[in-house]
Amino acid sequence: KAGVTQTPRYLIKTRGQQVTLSCSPISGHRSVSWYQQTPGQGLQFLFEYFSETQRNKGNFPGRFSGRQFSNSRSEMNVSTLELGDSALYLCASSLIVNTEAFFGQGTRLTVV
Amino acid sequence: TQLLEQSPQFLSIQEGENLTVYCNSSSVFSSLQWYRQEPGEGPVLLVTVVTGGEVKKLKRLTFQFGDARKDSSLHITAAQPGDTGLYLCAGAEGGSEKLVFGKGTKLTVNP
Repeated sequence: KAGVTQTPRYLIKTRGQQVTLSCSPISGHRSVSWYQQTPGQGLQFLFEYFSETQRNKGNFPGRFSGRQFSNSRSEMNVSTLELGDSALYLCASSLIVNTEAFFGQGTRLTVV
Repeated sequence: TQLLEQSPQFLSIQEGENLTVYCNSSSVFSSLQWYRQEPGEGPVLLVTVVTGGEVKKLKRLTFQFGDARKDSSLHITAAQPGDTGLYLCAGAEGGSEKLVFGKGTKLTVNP
């Protein structure tokens, strides 16, 4: 079956702009989590959605937001981009909350 | 607070050597997972360990979960260049719904 699909793969944005990233989970998976990965900080948890509800949120500013649709697809949005937001953004889907996570290939965001 | 400490942070070895990487915490985890990530790609799940003292083998990879479910190790026998990557451990902390990741061990196996 198809894996987790993230779009776009690469993105270049300017400071102050906003960006929306998309994630389609594995069919049948209802939990979607988002992570930010940088060389210095490693994988940092952003938020998790289950059945369209945000179940957990990491320690990120309010500029980072997300949502999940009825078909389990998820989007995350970052507003007022800063240089420090440059990172690999990873989406992971799980059958239920906090079980084995299957990751997409990520979206590489560069803020200039 | 970093709940999962991985060591070593970097490891460079020759093909054919054995190695062990560690994942330690002061917290108890209901389960622990190991992932391998290649540059520019997402992490790929290798194994999940659930029971204290559990040992799982995946070809040349041996995973062990500590008796107290606070730590884990990954041992690779006769490493190959294809084993190169970032090895991440992740734990589901008891009572929490968040999956917590260590910062990883970056392994390079030279031919």
